[in-house]
Amino acid sequence: RKEVEQDPGPFNVPEGATVAFNCTYSNSASQSFFWYRQDCRKEPKLLMSVYSSGNEDGRFTAQLNRASQYISLLIRDSKLSDSATYLCATHTGGFKTIFGAGTRLFVKA
Amino acid sequence: DVKVTQSSRYLVKRTGEKVFLECVQDMDHENMFWYRQDPGLGLRLIYFSYDVKMKEKGDIPEGYSVSREKKERFSLILESASTNQTSMYLCASSSPRGQVGNEQFFGPGTRLTVL
Repeated sequence: RKEVEQDPGPFNVPEGATVAFNCTYSNSASQSFFWYRQDCRKEPKLLMSVYSSGNEDGRFTAQLNRASQYISLLIRDSKLSDSATYLCATHTGGFKTIFGAGTRLFVKA
Repeated sequence: DVKVTQSSRYLVKRTGEKVFLECVQDMDHENMFWYRQDPGLGLRLIYFSYDVKMKEKGDIPEGYSVSREKKERFSLILESASTNQTSMYLCASSSPRGQVGNEQFFGPGTRLTVL
């Protein structure tokens, strides 16, 4: 079983829609959590860090559920420019960050 | 603006060649990482370094070695390239050392093809 698992998608949504992704992690010692965004043929870039009970940044909301060991990313009012692959990642406090394989999102006009 | 640069965007090598991938960061970060990214497998850690001349194996170190002679530079070496090492290679750096929640900054990647 992978340490961090994501639904690969793709998720195809119309502009303006709300879409949510989940990411499950297996290591209960994980201390911090991240969502990265990766555009086609580009490097991953941090979208949001997720601490304690979650946080919000504009149209993006990240939630953490420690009991069920998953994090979620909610995107409201989707834009064409939101089309990308979203990677979740966990950090146990050492040097390593564990990444999921990513969820692909396509937002259509 | 923070920056991680990699020596090549695209590289084509032949089986058995020795390959050097260079990564330089200008953020004075202690930690540097090499990943490979393959479809469906995500980012897999090859090696990382938390200080000059220090290196640690990641999850898939076989067939690779690394060198970190200066804080800003971390090199990945394929001693004898094989076709199964065809992949996208991503370098990253982070700071502060060992603390929870440190963001990783990635370079643009090197797409390596081994024929």
